[in-house]
Amino acid sequence: GENVEQHPSTLSVQEGDSAVIKCTYSDSASNYFPWYKQELGKRPQLIIDIRSNVGEKKDQRIAVTLNKTAKHFSLHITETQPEDSAVYFCAADINNNDMRFGAGTRLTVKP
Amino acid sequence: DAGITQSPRHKVTETGTPVTLRCHQTENHRYMYWYRQDPGHGLRLIHYSYGVKDTDKGEVSDGYSVSRSKTEDFLLTLESATSSQTSVYFCAISRQGRADTQYFGPGTRLTVL
Repeated sequence: GENVEQHPSTLSVQEGDSAVIKCTYSDSASNYFPWYKQELGKRPQLIIDIRSNVGEKKDQRIAVTLNKTAKHFSLHITETQPEDSAVYFCAADINNNDMRFGAGTRLTVKP
Repeated sequence: DAGITQSPRHKVTETGTPVTLRCHQTENHRYMYWYRQDPGHGLRLIHYSYGVKDTDKGEVSDGYSVSRSKTEDFLLTLESATSSQTSVYFCAISRQGRADTQYFGPGTRLTVL
């Protein structure tokens, strides 16, 4: 079946450093790639998304890049802060109305 | 947060009993989804609805059924709960289907003993 692979599963960085999370997908028809942040015990919340007609999108310290040819997309967080610590999920739309999620990356930002 | 509520928020039940979880939205969004979240698996789609009385299966639909009799309510039923259905269940909504942003409810933690 169609899948989304996400790496790494855990990531630890020092405050102020950058963090990069990568995802690959298998459905060549995928067009929408959201990223969600989930704090402990809370709901996933959308932080940024990108559609297949653009290669990069930025929102303050967060950016997402997309390579449709290689079927991978990445989340970049610059100048990380302790409040960025959370689990991050990538996702891709597949089939009719299905959204397939990666397994998640636990990001820890050490002060 | 989008106007999405889930009830109950926590439930403990025994193997073999039926369980119904409710998702309620005040956004008048057409699409509603049920996911389960388990460690190492991210979020997996159980069922979704694309309108009143219109539903379809997701990736992990076995053992679950859904119903949507009103735009605002989407019910998930475990007909005979098993321990493998112990999980956190999230409802989500979106205006359109594929390639549209999904907004999540607060989740329901279900434990099947």
